[in-house]
Amino acid sequence: ETGVTQSPTHLIKTRGQQVTLRCSSQSGHNTVSWYQQALGQGPQFIFQYYREEENGRGNFPPRFSGLQFPNYSSELNVNALELDDSALYLCASSFRAGGTDTQYFGPGTRLTVL
Amino acid sequence: SQELEQSPQSLIVQEGKNLTINCTSSKTLYGLYWYKQKYGEGLIFLMMLQKGGEEKSHEKITAKLDEKKQQSSLHITASQPSHAGIYLCGADPGNAGNMLTFGGGTRLMVKP
Repeated sequence: ETGVTQSPTHLIKTRGQQVTLRCSSQSGHNTVSWYQQALGQGPQFIFQYYREEENGRGNFPPRFSGLQFPNYSSELNVNALELDDSALYLCASSFRAGGTDTQYFGPGTRLTVL
Repeated sequence: SQELEQSPQSLIVQEGKNLTINCTSSKTLYGLYWYKQKYGEGLIFLMMLQKGGEEKSHEKITAKLDEKKQQSSLHITASQPSHAGIYLCGADPGNAGNMLTFGGGTRLMVKP
């Protein structure tokens, strides 16, 4: 168990809809990162939040947005869903103390866009 | 941008056999992470390597980072069915705060 939880486990949406995925980090972790993992591929970095501010973003369009809250929870929002958004979405939390910090991943949310 | 290539892409071994998975980077590695993933589930942290020549072991799994810090290997000794899954290497490109780049993964199956 990593102490990182995600909800929901599975989700089915239709193209054009909006979705919110949730993550609860380990207590005390000030950094949360979100990744998208398409079937058969490695995870791709979406963005990272540090102390409730976006700290970095991968090659994803603005319709992917997020929030981080003081209670160690966070959200990933995706607007105008496209078929290619179907994937496993993973959040990972860590405590940034300088240098490389180990990220602990949640079990993921499987999103299917029809 | 940094790219990670894993080899082999998939592997089937008989229980009890040893195996090695490689991860090669297009740039110098500042932090190299190995994770294991059960199909469709989250990633489980195995080990992190930072220094050239560093080697770490956990139970029957050993990971090494070469001196030039552009390649890492993961070695499993006397494989067991519980070792089956997807092994992923991830790198922090330029010590940027753990916005990890991952390889495509190696799918391991262990036959009893």
